[in-house]
Amino acid sequence: DTAVSQTPKYLVTQMGNDKSIKCEQNLGHDTMYWYKQDSKKFLKIMFSYNNKELIINETVPNRFSPKSPDKAHLNLHINSLELGDSAVYFCASSQLGQGYEAFFGQGTRLTVV
Amino acid sequence: RKEVEQDPGPFNVPEGATVAFNCTYSNSASQSFFWYRQDCRKEPKLLMSVYSSGNEDGRFTAQLNRASQYISLLIRDSKLSDSATYLCAVNIPTGGFKTIFGAGTRLFVKA
Repeated sequence: DTAVSQTPKYLVTQMGNDKSIKCEQNLGHDTMYWYKQDSKKFLKIMFSYNNKELIINETVPNRFSPKSPDKAHLNLHINSLELGDSAVYFCASSQLGQGYEAFFGQGTRLTVV
Repeated sequence: RKEVEQDPGPFNVPEGATVAFNCTYSNSASQSFFWYRQDCRKEPKLLMSVYSSGNEDGRFTAQLNRASQYISLLIRDSKLSDSATYLCAVNIPTGGFKTIFGAGTRLFVKA
């Protein structure tokens, strides 16, 4: 009964391809995030959505396009993949408000070859 | 300057040792503070929230110093199972809230 689930868990693809990662949360949270964790293990926020509306876009290349069809889902589409996009991408959710922690999905390990 | 900074370590300690991690944040508007634990190839999970008055959960004690803008985590009587990366995190109001993480401190507890 996973709280935040993302698919796929692993993704290996060639440069130039377009790929999507899906995320769903069943916690009833109103805010969802995408984070990127690179090879140095630094966890960096990319996007935040609140009730399907984009509220944070952290200087991410426009090849990355998040989409939130409803507040329980936040998908990430990546166009024209580059070697530097290889990382682990984590989806997370939380309640909007100062005291609420983030719950993470298991991560998607993306390798671009 | 990074918004949240931590000593990356690694910290290598024997079982039973006490170890302390510090974390500094740059945004004085930060409103909530957390410690997360991340095991190898796993997602981060909340270890504990950090309250202004300080708080304790078993062997773990968290402190917040707003004036100096740092938070700390103390682990007493370290266990082998405490080996992990510890990430500090702060919530910053930006129209909504965003949770910003430090780079993490790697802990190895040895038998």
